[in-house]
Amino acid sequence: DQQVKQNSPSLSVQEGRISILNCDYTNSMFDYFLWYKKYPAEGPTFLISISSIKDKNEDGRFTVFLNKSAKHLSLHIVPSQPGDSAVYFCAASAGSNYQLIWGAGTKLIIKP
Amino acid sequence: DTAVSQTPKYLVTQMGNDKSIKCEQNLGHDTMYWYKQDSKKFLKIMFSYNNKELIINETVPNRFSPKSPDKAHLNLHINSLELGDSAVYFCASRLGLRTDTQYFGPGTRLTVL
Repeated sequence: DQQVKQNSPSLSVQEGRISILNCDYTNSMFDYFLWYKKYPAEGPTFLISISSIKDKNEDGRFTVFLNKSAKHLSLHIVPSQPGDSAVYFCAASAGSNYQLIWGAGTKLIIKP
Repeated sequence: DTAVSQTPKYLVTQMGNDKSIKCEQNLGHDTMYWYKQDSKKFLKIMFSYNNKELIINETVPNRFSPKSPDKAHLNLHINSLELGDSAVYFCASRLGLRTDTQYFGPGTRLTVL
């Protein structure tokens, strides 16, 4: 049972445009959400997070939006750059359960 | 300076063998994890240690045994390797218990023949 879903295995975006990566979750107890970025042959690296008390968090070119009623979050990257080409994982956790539940990842390809 | 390191990076072995993967972090973190990335690319937590104590032990075969000699190290020993154990194993660490940024090692690609 996948509690965190990233339904797009891959996404191709032109350099300079906006990249939007989506993530859906089923567990209403999740209260903290994170995005990680992963390059081939490397471990995931933390990108940005959001608490359920917020609906938006911004860090430079990266913005995460949270829609609790829809159980949906999205990561916006603008403008997209070639170095953004990677696999992006969405992860979530619930209250005192300190485990992260991970999505399957979306491979983002930035075209020159 | 490497924050979370794992050795070896690649491990190819025969079914039935026993192998270990080592993990070290130099971040001063209290909590360390082992994850398995399966063929569908899901990252699934296997174990978590906080200050050398086991706090998360997901449903994994007891052929897998984590060992934490100190806060900076969390090793994974696997007995009687099976074909289904082939995967990429990631070590990670985090400061404190509350879910927050986890720092990952580069991964160990295990191939069981």
